[in-house]
Parts: sequence; structure tokens; C-alpha cells
Amino acid sequence: DGGITQSPKYLFRKEGQNVTLSCEQNLNHDAMYWYRQDPGQGLRLIYYSQIVNDFQKGDIAEGYSVSREKKESFPLTVTSAQKNPTAFYLCASSIRAAFSNYGYTFGSGTRLTVV
Amino acid sequence: GQNIDQPTEMTATEGAIVQINCTYQTSGFNGLFWYQQHAGEAPTFLSYNVLDGLEEKGRFSSFLSRSKGYSYLLLKELQMKDSASYLCAVLSGGYNKLIFGAGTRLAVHP
Repeated sequence: DGGITQSPKYLFRKEGQNVTLSCEQNLNHDAMYWYRQDPGQGLRLIYYSQIVNDFQKGDIAEGYSVSREKKESFPLTVTSAQKNPTAFYLCASSIRAAFSNYGYTFGSGTRLTVV
Repeated sequence: GQNIDQPTEMTATEGAIVQINCTYQTSGFNGLFWYQQHAGEAPTFLSYNVLDGLEEKGRFSSFLSRSKGYSYLLLKELQMKDSASYLCAVLSGGYNKLIFGAGTRLAVHP
């Protein structure tokens, strides 16, 4: 079955360490997205990519980095520069069309806790 | 700026009807989505509106008024499993970006 896989589901890291969250999709979707979700707040866009080898900053990109070397993969690195990295991270994908009624397909999320 | 507002919490009784409102102000509009999200899980797609009017899908219906920047999600014959957060999101701009509201946490009681 097609879908998006995020791993791991739970991740613990020490303060000051970089950590990479995995996101893989086999839906043949062109576009991929990373969102962060905090309690009482909506999903906030970190980075997005419309095609391979291209990506753009979202609303809260500071302290994060991404790569898009393959269509299927869009890993997110949370760097030590991110001041408050503890959050629930969601990866999503969609077909590329600007006007789409398909919305996003989401992964199951990674809950990152920095201690 | 971009702003999407929805109530923070709502409660309802099993078997009843509940309406969750969403108002938006965005720099562009290419459609409005409703997602359901259970705690700790991924959001799942419920509905999509791009034209004014009501879209019905089983127990769930969604309404859109573009001139008023307003949408609602109507849930009928509520079940306990409908207890979840409901996210309103607007598709904005030319790059298929979804902008989300903070979500409405719905609690269904027996």
C-alpha cells in the first residue's frame, strides 16, 4: 500500500545535538512538506519542496535544514540552533498541481523530546 | 497577514449535531480543507471546498462562503469516536501550501 513513513515515532536527544527525522513516501507525489505541531497551536510550516533538488523555507525555518535528493525522501535535520525543538513533527506530501482537491497525505509523525 | 480562527474546544452529546466554525483571512485562496486528528496521530482528510455551498459526505458536511471568509464543519449523529481535534486549513498561494488553524478539540460525551 502507498503511504508516507516517518521514523522513528519517538526520539529523545540531548540539548546541543543535531538530529535527523526521516520521511519516505511511495505515492509518487512531487511535493513534500514538514510541519511542526505544538500544544494549542496549529501546524506550522517548516520547509517544503515541490521537486527534487529544490526546497523553500516555510514560516519557521530557523534552526532546521532539509534535503531533497530523491523524490521519495525528504529528511529534516533539527540543529542545535533551534531554540525550542521539543515538538510533534509531521511530514506530508501532495501531487504538484497548484489547484488540488486531494490535499495532503500525512505521515504518522515523530515526537521529538530534547532533554 | 494570514489568519485562520476556530474555537479552541467544544463539547457535545452522543447522537447530537455539532457545528465547528472557521473564519479565515489569507493572501490567496485555492480551497479549504477540514482534517480530523486524534491525539498523537496524523491528520486525516475529511472534506474540501473550493466553491460556495455545502458539500455532504455521510455524517459530515462542510460549508463555504468565500465572500465572508467563513466555513463550517457539521457533524451529525455524533459518536464517541468523533472525539478528536478538527483542523481547518486554507490552500493559499501558487505552491499548494496549506495554512492551518489551531484546531478545535471536540469532546463527545455519552
